Order: sequence, then C-alpha cells, then structure tokens
Amino acid sequence: DSGVTQTPKHLITATGQRVTLRCSPRSGDLSVYWYQQSLDQGLQFLIQYYNGEERAKGNILERFSAQQFPDLHSELNLSSLELGDSALYFCASSVGVLSNQPQHFGDGTRLSIL
Amino acid sequence: QQPVQSPQAVILREGEDAVINCSSSKALYSVHWYRQKHGEAPVFLMILLKGGEQKGHEKISASFNEKKQQSSLYLTASQLSYSGTYFCGTETRDAGGTSYGKLTFGQGTILTVHP
Repeated sequence: DSGVTQTPKHLITATGQRVTLRCSPRSGDLSVYWYQQSLDQGLQFLIQYYNGEERAKGNILERFSAQQFPDLHSELNLSSLELGDSALYFCASSVGVLSNQPQHFGDGTRLSIL
Repeated sequence: QQPVQSPQAVILREGEDAVINCSSSKALYSVHWYRQKHGEAPVFLMILLKGGEQKGHEKISASFNEKKQQSSLYLTASQLSYSGTYFCGTETRDAGGTSYGKLTFGQGTILTVHP
C-alpha cells in the first residue's frame, strides 16, 4: 500500500460526458502528479501540483483540467470525453519537487468510454 | 522526448541476470526506475542522480552514465517476483536550470522470470 488513494477505481461512461477523478496523497506529501497510461502510449505525464499551485505541465489536453485543494487532495477533470480517453489514470505523490524524492503511485482509476 | 528502453522484453529463468537500458537524447539530471506488475500501480525501485548519489532497492543496482545520457538497471539472481514491466523515468532541466521533478517515462521493458 503506497498510501496514495484514488477514487473511483473504475469509471464507465459515454462519449461527450464529463468525469472527475480524485486523489489523496500520502500523509506529508505536498506534490501530486497525474499520469495517463494507455497500451500504445505508456505512462504519460499530464500535470503536477505542489502545495496547491501548478508546477509542471505535460501533454495535457485542453479538455482536461486539474487542481489541488488546501487539504492537498487533487482532482482531475476530464470533459467532452472521446473513445481515445479510455485509459488508466494514475496519481502519484512525493514530499516535494526535488529530484531525489521518489514518487509513490496510487492504484489508478480505469476509465472506459463507450 | 521519451527515453528509449532496451530490450523491449526479456525472458529469464530464476537465478539468471538481466540488464535493462535507458537512453535519452537530452542531458539528464536524474533517472528513476519503477516496476509495474499487470493491473497494479508502478512501484519505486531506484533513483540515480547526476553526481552519483543513488537511492533505492537492496537487491537491484543501477548505473548512470551522464556523458552518454544513459542508465542501466541490473537485476541479479532473478526471482519470480521480479516479473513485471520496468520503466525508467528521466528528469531534465529547463533552460534556466530549474527542475520540477517532472519525469518522462520510457515505453517499458517486460521482464518474465520462469521457474
């Protein structure tokens, strides 16, 4: 158990819909990272927050947005969903933003678009 | 740009050794190694930092060649539990030298250990 909690574990929805994925980091971790994992793309970095502020952005689509709240939990919002958005979405957390700190991954949310 | 891992897949018998390589086209500041079993979350194994500091796992070792922009993960005396997909995540810095801990992951190396 990494200590990172993601909900829900599974989501099934239709094209055009909007969903929210939630992540609670490990106790004491201030950084939260979101990744998308699909079969043909591997682990793709989406976005990082540190103590409530956005710190780094990857190839995140404009239809996707995220935020980190004062209690440090984070939400990833996916809108106007397309079939290609079906993937496993991971949240990871680390103590800070330094290179020598491991990222600890949650169990992921599996999103299926029908 | 995504680092390149090699080989893409390797099959071993228990007790055999394996080396997984990770190459980048950019100068690296750190390399992180993770193992992911099917349907599970990636699990941290090792961090290698520019300058030689290394943090990680007892039974797995790694090297970091800054000049060649490469890292290698060494799995010795493999066990059944080593099976999984191994990912390297590379960290580079922007023009100002700032790093935010953002990792770019390779495509993964599938390791299968048989009895």
